[in-house]
Amino acid sequence: IVVTQSPATLSVSPGESAILSCRTSQSVSKNLAWYQQKPGQAPRLLIYGASTRATGIPARFSGGGSGTEFTLTISSLQSEDFAVYYCQQCDNWYTFGPGTKLEMK
Amino acid sequence: QVQLVESGGGVVQPGRSLRLSCAASGFTFSDYAMHWVRQAPGKGLEWVAVLSDNRRNKFHVDSVKGRFTISRDNSKNTLYLQMNNLRADDTAVYYCAKDRYSSGWEGYIDQWGQGTLVTVSS
Repeated sequence: IVVTQSPATLSVSPGESAILSCRTSQSVSKNLAWYQQKPGQAPRLLIYGASTRATGIPARFSGGGSGTEFTLTISSLQSEDFAVYYCQQCDNWYTFGPGTKLEMK
Repeated sequence: QVQLVESGGGVVQPGRSLRLSCAASGFTFSDYAMHWVRQAPGKGLEWVAVLSDNRRNKFHVDSVKGRFTISRDNSKNTLYLQMNNLRADDTAVYYCAKDRYSSGWEGYIDQWGQGTLVTVSS
């Protein structure tokens, strides 16, 4: 299963919302996760099962979608949210998307 | 708290071998499937392998099948990755990672080590 993400880079101002997209080449039902990675750090699980927040993840992070189209919405962006975001399909083994870099405008 | 500490990375020539280790603490290691995930410099994430909690089921990504082997020693709370016949495109940071689900696996990774860099170069 091929996973694509768009856009490659997203420029947003703090306090605004960001919507990141993830598509899979075939249906993965809701077997999809989102991770955040900051420079020099390991990834962090944000969302699993397409829409369930992982332990300790703030409510401003929300995931949606099913089948082949998914979104990660980050509302009221804070400075610590600027990072690279990866989606991962977990329906047919595991493949990650190429990532979306969320940068400060 | 959960800790995953990788070791064993370094510079190795093409065709040679290396074994990575991951020492786990802060959770019941024997209850969880464990993964290796890698990230080439400046690139995205690639899942490499998974091993079930009881060691009965293991799977590797096609690009490393026949060359890499994941294993674990539950008595030592340690995960391993034996890498043979290394190639330049195996150069990456290798992360040890814990599956979120106990007594099975889902593929959702809720804990990651800090990674160990493997550089394959002559």
